[in-house]
Amino acid sequence: NAGVTQTPKFQVLKTGQSMTLQCAQDMNHNSMYWYRQDPGMGLRLIYYSASEGTTDKGEVPNGYNVSRLNKREFSLRLESAAPSQTSVYFCASSRLLGRHGYTFGSGTRLTVV
Amino acid sequence: TQLLEQSPQFLSIQEGENLTVYCNSSSVFSSLQWYRQEPGEGPVLLVTVVTGGEVKKLKRLTFQFGDARKDSSLHITAAQPGDTGLYLCAGDPENSGYALNFGKGTSLLVTP
Repeated sequence: NAGVTQTPKFQVLKTGQSMTLQCAQDMNHNSMYWYRQDPGMGLRLIYYSASEGTTDKGEVPNGYNVSRLNKREFSLRLESAAPSQTSVYFCASSRLLGRHGYTFGSGTRLTVV
Repeated sequence: TQLLEQSPQFLSIQEGENLTVYCNSSSVFSSLQWYRQEPGEGPVLLVTVVTGGEVKKLKRLTFQFGDARKDSSLHITAAQPGDTGLYLCAGDPENSGYALNFGKGTSLLVTP
């Protein structure tokens, strides 16, 4: 089925370790996003890419970096994981910024111990 | 910054009851979207409203966009257990050229 694929689905890291969350979409969407979801906090935007070749900070970018590798792929990197980064991470894509609906991946549940 | 306030935060009702979920803001939005999220899954788009006063229906779900484009509501008629989930509203602030801003969600439980 067409959609957004995230890997891995689950990950446990030790404080200070690094990792990259992968995201790929096959809908020919231009815009891609990374959100984190925490209890009581809702979905908060980490970084987004309006189009291939551009990336911008969202509401909570500290401790993260992103790469828009090509039109299909948008990765999120944690350079030195901290317990505060324990969360569920969602990648999403849309045709363009603005009123276009998002298609979300099924999420990555990350625990930092 | 949380631009959208959703209420109620939690709702537990019995099958067959009606309910309304609200999404309010002091900001004007070019569009508002509603998503439903089930445990362990990503949110799924239900509807997008773009015109002030617009009403859209999706089977037993009715969505309304406020006249001033600052608020929206979701009404469910005769709720069923399959409606259980987290309902999220998300807005595209007018003239922002930015990603969607999400509310914190309303967690709905419908019991048989």
